[in-house]
Amino acid sequence: AQKVTQAQTEISVVEKEDVTLDCVYETRDTTYYLFWYKQPPSGELVFLIRRNSFDEQNEISGRYSWNFQKSTSSFNFTITASQVVDSAVYFCALQTGSSNTGKLIFGQGTTLQVKP
Amino acid sequence: NAGVTQTPKFQVLKTGQSMTLQCAQDMNHEYMSWYRQDPGMGLRLIHYSVGAGITDQGEVPNGYNVSRSTTEDFPLRLLSAAPSQTSVYFCASSYGGPYSNQPQHFGDGTRLSIL
Repeated sequence: AQKVTQAQTEISVVEKEDVTLDCVYETRDTTYYLFWYKQPPSGELVFLIRRNSFDEQNEISGRYSWNFQKSTSSFNFTITASQVVDSAVYFCALQTGSSNTGKLIFGQGTTLQVKP
Repeated sequence: NAGVTQTPKFQVLKTGQSMTLQCAQDMNHEYMSWYRQDPGMGLRLIHYSVGAGITDQGEVPNGYNVSRSTTEDFPLRLLSAAPSQTSVYFCASSYGGPYSNQPQHFGDGTRLSIL
């Protein structure tokens, strides 16, 4: 079975706090791709990052960082020094190498609220 | 460069009506797809296309038709709207085919309500 689980439905933090959004995936494929998307209150989906299964190097982009661990099938997303503008729904998604549809398997999303 | 453009942004229909959700991209992407987003269910693939003239079904295709006469356009048709089709619809596109695993770029969505 292929599945993405985002166990945290909602997270609320105060501005400048660090916050980690969890993502656990399931797949039997050895080649797969993981994505994070952001959906702000305005509703659009914004691509944040893509990671393939052969590259476990962590990545940092400004205040955003991603921790990919194949041993635990996790691809967690950390926002450092959160800001009100980070308030959004964040989706983790999986695309398997064997998929012939290009389908993204989305988690249910984590709603992040950053309070001033 | 507009990216992926969806129209309309909002629509209210009565049960049994038909309509077409428009999607256009100006990035010359081969792959295009339609998803629906429902509370608690994430996004689910409806139909997809790997190029002009080629379409196929995704996870939840019933009640929807698509066509791909040009690389740029990928309209989604609701044949006879049902309340269960109330949802937010997203169109996406990416470079290459389904095996390319390139990031899919999404439109702003169409919020559809069926009464």
